[in-house]
Parts: sequence; structure tokens; C-alpha cells
Amino acid sequence: DGGITQSPKYLFRKEGQNVTLSCEQNLNHDAMYWYRQDPGQGLRLIYYSQIVNDFQKGDIAEGYSVSREKKESFPLTVTSAQKNPTAFYLCASSLQGYEQYFGPGTRLTVT
Amino acid sequence: ILNVEQSPQSLHVQEGDSTNFTCSFPSSNFYALHWYRWETAKSPEALFVMTLNGDEKKKGRISATLNTKEGYSYLYIKGSQPEDSATYLCACPYGGATNKLIFGTGTLLAVQP
Repeated sequence: DGGITQSPKYLFRKEGQNVTLSCEQNLNHDAMYWYRQDPGQGLRLIYYSQIVNDFQKGDIAEGYSVSREKKESFPLTVTSAQKNPTAFYLCASSLQGYEQYFGPGTRLTVT
Repeated sequence: ILNVEQSPQSLHVQEGDSTNFTCSFPSSNFYALHWYRWETAKSPEALFVMTLNGDEKKKGRISATLNTKEGYSYLYIKGSQPEDSATYLCACPYGGATNKLIFGTGTLLAVQP
């Protein structure tokens, strides 16, 4: 079945450690996205990529990094520079200008 | 960054009631309006992408209208069912990029059986 997978579902890390969240899609979509959700706030865009080997910062990119070496994959690294990393992270993909398809999300807890 | 607002923040209705909620966005430089449904423990799912003023889209008991001149969209649910309980999100592209969405904070709908 086509879709987006994110792993793991829950992730726990100690403060000061970098952590990488996985996102894979088999929908043949060019564009992929990372969002963050915090209580009481809408989804906020961290990074997006419209094509392989290219990505753009979203509204809250500080403390995060991404890569897009393959069309299917768009991993997000939460670095130790991110001041408040505990959140729910959603990955999505789309054809250019069309509706976005979302993965199941990863809940990251940093203590 | 443009501001997308949704109201009400939450809504509790009885099974069989019809309901509607609003998404407001700046009317200048409009490109598109997305609606998504996000059920608990599931992924957000696209309902509609609307682009034309006066557009009306329908999927089963759910429909949406768009007024780009005044900057709002309504989402209607006819005869609400418990399975309609979810957070409904709207979003607009911004910054000249068609893929870069800004989301409202959502309307949480709870349908009591």
C-alpha cells in the first residue's frame, strides 16, 4: 500500500543529544515536509523539500537539520541547539501544489 | 507570515445535528485553501483543496464553501455522526510557495451519540 511511514512512534532522548526522525514515502511525491505540533498551536513548518537535493527552511528551522538524498526519504535531525525539542513531529508529502499526505507522527520527549 | 484563524476552537454537538465552522485568511494574494480532518490517533487526512472564489466542494455529508474576496471558508457537516469527531484544520499556502502551508489551530468537534 502507498503511504508515509515515520519511525519510531515514541522517542526518548537525554538533553544534549542529537536525534534523527525517519520519514519515508512510496507515493512518488516530489515534495516532503516536516511539521511540529505543540499543545494549543497549529502545525508549524520546520523544513520542506520540493525536489531531491534541495530543501528550504520553514518558520521554525532553528535547531533542526534535514537532508533529501533520495526522493523517498526526508529525515529530520533535532540537534542539541533546539531549545525546546519535546513535541509531536509530523512528516508529510505531496505533489506540487496539491493536498498533503501525512505520516502517523513521532512523539519526541527530551529530558 | 499570514494569519489563518479558525472558529470556534471547539464544538460539542449531538448525533444528527448539523454543524459548521469557519476558517478566516487574508484575502490578498490568495492561492488556495486546504481543509484537513485529524482524528485522534490517526494522521491528518485531506478533505478539500479549494482555489476559486465561490467554489463549493462536497464529500459525503461534509461540504465546504470559499469566499476569497472576504477571506473565509465554511465547513459544513450535515447530520453529524460520532465518527465525525475530529479536529478540522484549514491551511493556506504563503510566501509565494504553493507547497508552504500555514495552518490554523483547528476546530475540535465532538459528536455525542
